[in-house]
Amino acid sequence: EVQLVESGGGLVQPGGSLRLSCAVSGFTFSYHWMNWVRQAPGKGLEWVAHIKKDGSETYYVDSVKGRFTISRDNARNLLYLQMNSLRAEDTAVYYCARDWKTVPFDYWGQGTLVTVSS
Amino acid sequence: SYELTQPPSVSVSPGQTARITCSGDALPKAYTYWYQQKSGQAPVLVIYEDSKRPSGIPERFSGSSSGTRATLTISGAQVEDEGDYYCYSTDRSGTHRVFGGGTKVT
Repeated sequence: EVQLVESGGGLVQPGGSLRLSCAVSGFTFSYHWMNWVRQAPGKGLEWVAHIKKDGSETYYVDSVKGRFTISRDNARNLLYLQMNSLRAEDTAVYYCARDWKTVPFDYWGQGTLVTVSS
Repeated sequence: SYELTQPPSVSVSPGQTARITCSGDALPKAYTYWYQQKSGQAPVLVIYEDSKRPSGIPERFSGSSSGTRATLTISGAQVEDEGDYYCYSTDRSGTHRVFGGGTKVT
């Protein structure tokens, strides 16, 4: 059974940092591109970042470029999102999601809430 | 920046047909995907590559695309189909991944 489990969310002050993790199981992690997608309270979905199977390529939405870093550890089946210089508008539930071949986001985790507030 | 436009809401009676549209300039050259999100849950893929249905998704869900508009159709809508539906695609370069604003189906 495919499983994605996010962790690391919480309350952080503006300007602070947080690292999210996504532990995966039930599939060969190194075969898949992976993503982070977020959803602000009461709002729609926003793609944040994605990373190639071997970690050699990464892409970001413009609003997080230079502040967030997506990475992965294929030996430990872990996906990460390092978030620096956090702003109130980064407050959201953050989901990790898998790509299957050319199909984006075929499986999702349950999400972890990040709240940026003083 | 690239945008996909969806109606904010669609209302349908049980057993009737609901149609949700998604408009975007790059849709003639990129596939559209549809995700269902029920309250408090993670999204679920219901249509991929414009019109294909993943295993486990009921046949009442179908998709189509023509020109700059894609459509998700729920034929014989059920009460359990209530939720938010998001279209997704990429811009012309293929590097920017974009969701539509979402449509609440009641």
